[in-house]
Amino acid sequence: AQKITQTQPGMFVQEKEAVTLDCTYDTSDPSYGLFWYKQPSSGEMIFLIYQGSYDQQNATEGRYSLNFQKARKSANLVISASQLGDSAMYFCAMRERVAGGTSYGKLTFGQGTILTVHP
Amino acid sequence: NAGVTQTPKFQVLKTGQSMTLQCAQDMNHNSMYWYRQDPGMGLRLIYYSASEGTTDKGEVPNGYNVSRLNKREFSLRLESAAPSQTSVYFCASVDRRPSSGGMDEQYFGPGTRLTVT
Repeated sequence: AQKITQTQPGMFVQEKEAVTLDCTYDTSDPSYGLFWYKQPSSGEMIFLIYQGSYDQQNATEGRYSLNFQKARKSANLVISASQLGDSAMYFCAMRERVAGGTSYGKLTFGQGTILTVHP
Repeated sequence: NAGVTQTPKFQVLKTGQSMTLQCAQDMNHNSMYWYRQDPGMGLRLIYYSASEGTTDKGEVPNGYNVSRLNKREFSLRLESAAPSQTSVYFCASVDRRPSSGGMDEQYFGPGTRLTVT
């Protein structure tokens, strides 16, 4: 079973508008972390935002916010005021604990969503 | 402070050849990781090293070996390359920040694009 599901292979948004990229996850571990990464065409992986499973508030980092709905197991990324430079592949990822209670930081990634920002 | 560096950036191998991908980090991180990224897919974990002197298999370890040479360096070896190993390989290391409540931001290297013909 997929642990991280990104159902939108591609998304389009007009410059200066907001866009939501969907991510759902599956875990039975009560302690987990959710990450979003951006991968531009140059290929590097850029960390955007993190949400811990026990965090009471939704994470925000500048124009990025994470709409965390724990009961629905969703962690959607919201980008406000889109810019042309936001065009990239976006990955949702999850860190769970392994047996013994630690994760060693291992991440499981979704398949990604390609975002295209139109001028 | 270079972060995570990887060499080489590009490599073409013939089936059956061997090679080692090098990764180094200068951030004093304990844990390091090797991922592969195939077209249309997210990153998949090949091997990881939770700390110096330890290594463990990830999701797709077959056909690979790793060495955690010291705290800084974590290499990935393909003993007999196969076309199925054509991929982009990323190395990453983790900064555990206790004050952030356990957030493990992974710092990624720039990637190695490997083609096996």
